Amino acid sequence: QKEVEQNSGPLSVPEGAIASLNCTYSDRGSQSFFWYRQYSGKSPELIMSIYSNGDKEDGRFTAQLNKASQYVSLLIRDSQPSDSATYLCAVSHGSGNTGKLIFGQGTTLQVKP
Amino acid sequence: DVKVTQSSRYLVKRTGEKVFLECVQDMDHENMFWYRQDPGLGLRLIYFSYDVKMKEKGDIPEGYSVSREKKERFSLILESASTNQTSMYLCASRDLQNQPQHFGDGTRLSIL
Repeated sequence: QKEVEQNSGPLSVPEGAIASLNCTYSDRGSQSFFWYRQYSGKSPELIMSIYSNGDKEDGRFTAQLNKASQYVSLLIRDSQPSDSATYLCAVSHGSGNTGKLIFGQGTTLQVKP
Repeated sequence: DVKVTQSSRYLVKRTGEKVFLECVQDMDHENMFWYRQDPGLGLRLIYFSYDVKMKEKGDIPEGYSVSREKKERFSLILESASTNQTSMYLCASRDLQNQPQHFGDGTRLSIL
């Protein structure tokens, strides 16, 4: 079982719709969860961090965390063509200053005008 | 804003060469990381450093070494470049545990 799993997609949504991206993880001790956006040929860019159960909203983005079920999701409201990218879920692994991030393979999102 | 700077965006080298990839961060971050990213394989951790002169192997350290003589700089070294090391190399830094990592722009390295 992969430590962090995402559906590779592509997930295709029409412009203006809500895009829902999901991620499951295996390490119950994980404490930090991040979503990165990566445009083709570019490096990952942090868009959301979440540390506690529940929802966290930032503009059109909402991250949702459920530690009991070991999943984290990202909702993008009013999706725009500029949101078309690969979204990487990253989950902390290990403790202390030597802890690492485990990345999922990413979900490709296509927003069609 | 955090600034992570990688020395080259594109680099072409020959097999057998010793290759240096440089990364500098300007936020006094404790931790720095080197990844490679390949289609279908995702991001894979090569090495990371949690303090000056300290390093830990990641998932794929073979064929690579690292150096961190100063806090702001983390270098990745390909001892004898091979064609299977052609990849996108990404450097990242973070302040403390549980904080997010911030990435540089990446170096697309081709080994011919």
